[in-house]
Amino acid sequence: QSALTQPASVSGSPGQSITISCTGTSSDVGSYNLVSWYQEYPGKAPKLMIYEASKRPSGVSNRFSGSRSGNTASLTISGLQAEDEADYYCCSYAGSSTVIFGGGTKLTVL
Amino acid sequence: QVQLVQSGAEVKKPGASVKVSCKASGYTFSTYAIHWVRQAPGQRLEWMGWINAGNGDTKYSQKFQGRVTITSDTSATTAYMELSSLRSEDTAVYFCARSQPVVIQYFDYWGQGTLVTVSS
Repeated sequence: QSALTQPASVSGSPGQSITISCTGTSSDVGSYNLVSWYQEYPGKAPKLMIYEASKRPSGVSNRFSGSRSGNTASLTISGLQAEDEADYYCCSYAGSSTVIFGGGTKLTVL
Repeated sequence: QVQLVQSGAEVKKPGASVKVSCKASGYTFSTYAIHWVRQAPGQRLEWMGWINAGNGDTKYSQKFQGRVTITSDTSATTAYMELSSLRSEDTAVYFCARSQPVVIQYFDYWGQGTLVTVSS
């Protein structure tokens, strides 16, 4: 099972918006709305940012939003802040009680 | 508050096995699942498998099938991940994470990670 496809890196200036894509197949992203996104700082555990493709856990800034269309899910961060600089991973349910992660995207705030 | 606290770093020789623990607190252990996810240095997150802490059902990634065993002790509210036949490529940080017990929707709490180094 290959990883979901994410861009290796994205960048943006403070205040701008960026979008990270996550492309899977009809067996995972395309079949289930069970896509989640995680933020990871170096040396730290991942943090849940979005679940069920577009829902935000309590305590996560509303600058983070998610969507899904077909085999692709997306994470959008608006009003970029320096603290958003981190790695971001998507994750999708893939059936048969399995999940698959994306390759990860490094976000740089210029 | 929900916490997952993992055991400390390990150094193992190739061919050996390692067993990492994940102590849960702050919630009813048997009503959730525990997953294991690893991350090799500079690499992506990689899902290894999970256990339904309520009934002990397990599911493993095909990549690790036959080498990984995930167990849990409800009385100790602790999950364990044992990886055998270690090789250098298994050097990674291993995380435990909590999810819903039936359909895997998301991982809402994570352990702090355990570094396993495989070196001769």
